[in-house]
Amino acid sequence: QKEVEQNSGPLSVPEGAIASLNCTYSDRGSQSFFWYRQYSGKSPELIMSIYSNGDKEDGRFTAQLNKASQYVSLLIRDSQPSDSATYLCAFDGQNFVFGPGTRLSVLP
Amino acid sequence: KAGVTQTPRYLIKTRGQQVTLSCSPISGHRSVSWYQQTPGQGLQFLFEYFSETQRNKGNFPGRFSGRQFSNSRSEMNVSTLELGDSALYLCASAEGPATNEKLFFGSGTQLSVL
Repeated sequence: QKEVEQNSGPLSVPEGAIASLNCTYSDRGSQSFFWYRQYSGKSPELIMSIYSNGDKEDGRFTAQLNKASQYVSLLIRDSQPSDSATYLCAFDGQNFVFGPGTRLSVLP
Repeated sequence: KAGVTQTPRYLIKTRGQQVTLSCSPISGHRSVSWYQQTPGQGLQFLFEYFSETQRNKGNFPGRFSGRQFSNSRSEMNVSTLELGDSALYLCASAEGPATNEKLFFGSGTQLSVL
């Protein structure tokens, strides 16, 4: 089983819709989870961190963590074309592990 | 506060050569991690240094090495370059040991091996 799995996409949503990005991980001992956004040709930038089960909201972004199911998700409300990017989930395994990323395209 | 600085931004080398990449972390950050990013493999962990000590190493051959200096600046070296080493090399800094910490990435060094 791969350490981190994400739907590679592309995920296309219309402007103003909710984009839902999902990530599953294999290391049950992981305690810290992160979402990074990477625009084409740029480096990843941190957008959310979550450490405990439940939801964490920051503006239009909501991260959800379910450790029992080894699942973390990111919801983007009121999606904008500027949200079009690749979203990488990451967690603290033996090393800091990144998923392959989901490419999101928000259509005007 | 200045961000993570990587130099050079672009590099073109030929097979068999050696290359050294540099990374200056955010002031006060003591951890520097290195990643290789390719379209097919995504972000692959190379190694992490914290307070001049290598904490973790990824699954890369011994041709890939690194070090960290007392001012937290880090260098990564790749010897005997191969075509498959062509990639974007990213470094990331963190205040403490990288696990459990938020990472801040530099702009990367784009290495092309001909």
